[in-house]
Amino acid sequence: EDQVTQSPEALRLQEGESSSLNCSYTVSGLRGLFWYRQDPGKGPEFLFTLYSAGEEKEKERLKATLTKKESFLHITAPKPEDSATYLCAVHSNSGYALNFGKGTSLLVTP
Amino acid sequence: EPEVTQTPSHQVTQMGQEVILRCVPISNHLYFYWYRQILGQKVEFLVSFYNNEISEKSEIFDDQFSVERPDGSNFTLKIRSTKLEDSAMYFCASSERGGATDTQYFGPGTRLTVL
Repeated sequence: EDQVTQSPEALRLQEGESSSLNCSYTVSGLRGLFWYRQDPGKGPEFLFTLYSAGEEKEKERLKATLTKKESFLHITAPKPEDSATYLCAVHSNSGYALNFGKGTSLLVTP
Repeated sequence: EPEVTQTPSHQVTQMGQEVILRCVPISNHLYFYWYRQILGQKVEFLVSFYNNEISEKSEIFDDQFSVERPDGSNFTLKIRSTKLEDSAMYFCASSERGGATDTQYFGPGTRLTVL
């Protein structure tokens, strides 16, 4: 059975303090790994898709990387508006469903 | 920018009642999905839908649930007889092609509260 584990569960950073969020996965044939941002009471907002080990994607202060067993979401010099829950999800050979992790709740304080 | 919309934003119902949650997917998308998120838990897949048929469903999606595309724009999730444990955020999503590499775009959600 596919498994997605995110760590840490919660992270508190000072504004400007860079860090990384981890997503480790066990799937039967990874077809794509997705990062979403979710604000309280809202739907997941798409950030990145990664398809193969070694791939990297960047958007503003965020950079996502992928290995054969895990993905990292690096946040460089975060701002308070980056506070949100970051969700990792995988798409495997088994079908259409996205399998989500529980997320990392990020709080960036001024 | 095109987006998925959902109505209502919040639905309160009594246990045993039927509810219909509505979604308007992005207009050129062909694949539609429903997910749910129980408070404090992860987002869980319910069902995918393509060409007026269910293409995949999870074990959560039992006989109490059904989906329909009643017209060219709406996509609905019906829960026939709601239970307390159906209380959750329900998210609709859509994707252009539906392949495993295709991005699913999510709506803002409907919060369902079953009393």
